[in-house]
Amino acid sequence: SQTIHQWPATLVQPVGSPLSLECTVEGTSNPNLYWYRQAAGRGLQLLFYSVGIGQISSEVPQNLSASRPQDRQFILSSKKLLLSDSGFYLCASAQGLAGVNEQFFGPGTRLTVL
Amino acid sequence: AQKVTQAQTEISVVEKEDVTLDCVYETRDTTYYLFWYKQPPSGELVFLIRRNSFDEQNEISGRYSWNFQKSTSSFNFTITASQVVDSAVYFCALSEARGYSTLTFGKGTMLLVSP
Repeated sequence: SQTIHQWPATLVQPVGSPLSLECTVEGTSNPNLYWYRQAAGRGLQLLFYSVGIGQISSEVPQNLSASRPQDRQFILSSKKLLLSDSGFYLCASAQGLAGVNEQFFGPGTRLTVL
Repeated sequence: AQKVTQAQTEISVVEKEDVTLDCVYETRDTTYYLFWYKQPPSGELVFLIRRNSFDEQNEISGRYSWNFQKSTSSFNFTITASQVVDSAVYFCALSEARGYSTLTFGKGTMLLVSP
């Protein structure tokens, strides 16, 4: 079975500072990868997904960006954080078509922007 | 566009009670997949079940059971004899199985089981 690692686990950053969150996947190859944000402790919002190296699709326009430099590495970045970027960020991995196979989630990163 | 509605924001029960979490979905596709995930206080989402739109058989796994009814576009989740460890936020999700489709999540139902 696959394992998803995320770091850091928690992060406190000032407004206007840069951001880099990393996600790596073990136990699978060529996965589809996803970044979600969960604000206010509830609903999940899909931010980005990637079906391969260098292929990124954005679901919501924002000041965040994503990159996939390696098959099992997915990075979420920002040049200048906003207060509204605070939340719980989850990375997920799925094999094959997202609609067919379940997504497996990492432990998440809790980001607080002050 | 697809949509998932979990009308129950929060449910509180006492241990050993049975509880049903409701999920209603909307989709124009005839082929789709439904999922339930559990999010304990630690935050990580745990996959519970996947159903495809052609399989309306109810499923039971231990204390968990799922009732899928296409006629009412519902995929409800029942926990029998609830336990404190069942306390979590539960999410229902939908995916239209074509291309690189993605999951649409409901807003979740927080279940609090007290001893």
